[in-house]
Amino acid sequence: QSVLTQPPSASGTPGQSITISCSGGSSNIGSTTVNWYQHLPGTAPKLLIYSNNQRPSGVPDRFSGSKSGTSASLAISGLQSEDEADYYCAAWDDSLNGVVFGGGTKLTVL
Amino acid sequence: EVQLVQSGAEVKKPGESLRISCKGSGYSFTYYWISWVRQMPGKGLEWMGKSDPTDSYTNYSPSFQGHVTFSTDKSISTAYLQWSSLKASDTAMYYCARVSDGYIDYWGQGTLVTVSS
Repeated sequence: QSVLTQPPSASGTPGQSITISCSGGSSNIGSTTVNWYQHLPGTAPKLLIYSNNQRPSGVPDRFSGSKSGTSASLAISGLQSEDEADYYCAAWDDSLNGVVFGGGTKLTVL
Repeated sequence: EVQLVQSGAEVKKPGESLRISCKGSGYSFTYYWISWVRQMPGKGLEWMGKSDPTDSYTNYSPSFQGHVTFSTDKSISTAYLQWSSLKASDTAMYYCARVSDGYIDYWGQGTLVTVSS
């Protein structure tokens, strides 16, 4: 059972926009920033969004993040086939003094 | 370019010991904590804990406390994850990762550990 809650799956067609939610609590999302990772099978996870809504260099602006209270969202616009991957939210947890992850959302591009 | 390069896949028997490594390059190794993350087959990411290469301070997630050991050798910019007695349930992909300002920004490529009799 993951500390952060994500839907297990999401899907969309090329060109569409989708949103993935992430819900936590006061010791994690409610008191710190949220980060998102893209994980393709057989590769290292990649930082997609940090500090709620910041994109590292090289990440397309089709990816955006937001946070409100103890929840956060990742939005992907203009879906492309190469976006098909697992997406994880993460945040620092003050109680654990470490990182907590969501269970991951498998995105399928139909 | 920041890189974390992990040691290769391992196949071990239950009860055996194992140490896997993670070598950092392209940055000042002692400036950032190293975290370890487990991904069991078909499952999500689990944070195992972190170590500070400066002073070898370690912090373990309760789920892993007592079963694994983290260590670092700053002279060769390398972090280690060690088991003294493996179980079949330790079969997983293990990632090392760099922690920056409370979040993971770079990941190693992963080390697959298979424990089977």
